[in-house]
Amino acid sequence: DTAVSQTPKYLVTQMGNDKSIKCEQNLGHDTMYWYKQDSKKFLKIMFSYNNKELIINETVPNRFSPKSPDKAHLNLHINSLELGDSAVYFCASSQGGQGRTEAFFGQGTRLTVV
Amino acid sequence: QQQVKQSPQSLIVQKGGISIINCAYENTAFDYFPWYQQFPGKGPALLIAIRPDVSEKKEGRFTISFNKSAKQFSLHIMDSQPGDSATYFCASIYNFTKFYFGSGTKLNVKP
Repeated sequence: DTAVSQTPKYLVTQMGNDKSIKCEQNLGHDTMYWYKQDSKKFLKIMFSYNNKELIINETVPNRFSPKSPDKAHLNLHINSLELGDSAVYFCASSQGGQGRTEAFFGQGTRLTVV
Repeated sequence: QQQVKQSPQSLIVQKGGISIINCAYENTAFDYFPWYQQFPGKGPALLIAIRPDVSEKKEGRFTISFNKSAKQFSLHIMDSQPGDSATYFCASIYNFTKFYFGSGTKLNVKP
């Protein structure tokens, strides 16, 4: 069973469209994240949710909105897509505490805006 | 402000050699230091991690060396193999939920 799964794996869309990426984790973790990886491979945290509450919201455009229907899901909705949004988006989850924590990543969604 | 600085950006090593990747962090409140390995088309995967009260941790061919006073830690890959060719990220974690990643090192192990 896949621990962290995100869909779709590839997404090609036109500028101005609205799209969503879905993420689900079956690890029972209490925190989920969205990361953006640009062409230079830099991983930038976008959002994280802990127990359905947003606890990190880095300086990303408000066109990006995370939605968490329950602890196992964190979806990413993007409005009015722009060329610069093209990147690979990774969902991750973690369970912290007891002196250690690990993040498990999904396979990524390659978003191409044309 | 970049919380974690990673070097080198890219590294070429001959098969059987030692690969060394370095990271330096700013915040002394970080409480966990993992390394992630990422293959093309895949998500990063945890490779090995260390707590700040430990100076070294070894798992197979992979070793983390941690220098708390210098606020530096490094990944050593012994007997490097072509299958180790990937991008490696160090990370520093604060309060169990705030992950700060380095900029990545692309390792190429030549046969």
